[in-house]
Amino acid sequence: QVQLFESGPGLARPSQTLSLTCSVSGVSISSGKYYWSWIRQPAGKGLEWIGRIYNTGRPNYKPSLESRLTISLDTSQNQFSLSLSSVTAADTAVYYCAGGDYYGLVHYWGQGTLVAVSS
Amino acid sequence: SYVLTQPPSVSVAPGKTARITCGGNNIGSKSVHWYQQKPGQAPVVVIHSDSDRPSGIPERFSGSNSGNTATLTLSRAEAGDEADYYCQVWEGSGDYVVFGGGTKLTVL
Repeated sequence: QVQLFESGPGLARPSQTLSLTCSVSGVSISSGKYYWSWIRQPAGKGLEWIGRIYNTGRPNYKPSLESRLTISLDTSQNQFSLSLSSVTAADTAVYYCAGGDYYGLVHYWGQGTLVAVSS
Repeated sequence: SYVLTQPPSVSVAPGKTARITCGGNNIGSKSVHWYQQKPGQAPVVVIHSDSDRPSGIPERFSGSNSGNTATLTLSRAEAGDEADYYCQVWEGSGDYVVFGGGTKLTVL
């Protein structure tokens, strides 16, 4: 049973960096079975794919976020992480980590974690 | 960048058929996935790879994809089908995933 769990601060200050970690159980993130993604959803709005990483460590990012975004793997902890810099109120959202296939199909979702950007 | 367009809302009477469209440039050449999301929950895939239904998803859900439009069809709609529905594709030329804006399905 693959499970994902997001963790990190629920509050980020404007212009600072938002950092989240996703802990994965039930499969090794270095196995190559899945692509590991971050997806967010502002309150009352739609899903937005942020980016993903594979076991090679090569990430893919949403073009409009790429300049502020870093997604990385920590295979020793079976975790992957999100770092989003220079945040504004527009980055306030529920952030989901997810595991899926090459074509973006999400097989497993975390429960989501709310991050608010506020001073 | 690649854009997927969904109607913001669709209404259907109980027992009738609802169709939710997802428009995109030559979307028929891509593999489309559909998710159902109920309030406070993570999304659940109801159709993947254009028309495949995961185990546990009722046969009432079906999908098609051709030209510039993909369609999620829900037959014999039930109150429990009320949810937001999202289409999704992988944009291979740019190496990123795109979600549609979502459609709120109301069964009334």
